[in-house]
Amino acid sequence: AQSVTQLGSHVSVSEGALVLLRCNYSSSVPPYLFWYVQYPNQGLQLLLKYTSAATLVKGINGFEAEFKKSETSFHLTKPSAHMSDAAEYFCAVRANQAGTALIFGKGTTLSVSS
Amino acid sequence: DGGITQSPKYLFRKEGQNVTLSCEQNLNHDAMYWYRQDPGQGLRLIYYSQIVNDFQKGDIAEGYSVSREKKESFPLTVTSAQKNPTAFYLCASSNQGAYEKLFFGSGTQLSVL
Repeated sequence: AQSVTQLGSHVSVSEGALVLLRCNYSSSVPPYLFWYVQYPNQGLQLLLKYTSAATLVKGINGFEAEFKKSETSFHLTKPSAHMSDAAEYFCAVRANQAGTALIFGKGTTLSVSS
Repeated sequence: DGGITQSPKYLFRKEGQNVTLSCEQNLNHDAMYWYRQDPGQGLRLIYYSQIVNDFQKGDIAEGYSVSREKKESFPLTVTSAQKNPTAFYLCASSNQGAYEKLFFGSGTQLSVL
């Protein structure tokens, strides 16, 4: 079975500061890993995904994440936060085998202050 | 425009009543999913279907039922056995493949009267 743990239900940063959202995964087989974002009153959209092609993955809006097998982590970062980044972020995992579904973490709410 | 349509946007259930949430997609996706979103709980998988006439239980299937008679439709019924149905329900679809991204609908907010 696979699962993800997001450390910190709420992260607050100042505009221009580094954003770091933490995600650790558990999977018995090689996983695919995803970050989704949910802006206020909007649906979920994909930020980026890891599919084993490269350990450093770049996504939309300046976000990136690094897959570290030794630490079972897939943390999301952005060098400089913008007010428009305020949203809820979900890490998700899916096993690399047929018949599985995407399993989400509990989410981290990012607040950005001016 | 291609996408996923969920209806209604808001739904109210009386005690002992079954209600059905609609999910339709015109993306020609094989796989469809239902998730429940509660504050602080993230998205929890209720049911998913990889192909027509077949579906699997997710982590919290008790009190829910689904059908997949057509590729484009995956309705979710919240039965009277679900004692805490108040939540935001999200439907999603994707192409086959574990690396494929999910496309989400805009959700249905279900509340108990």
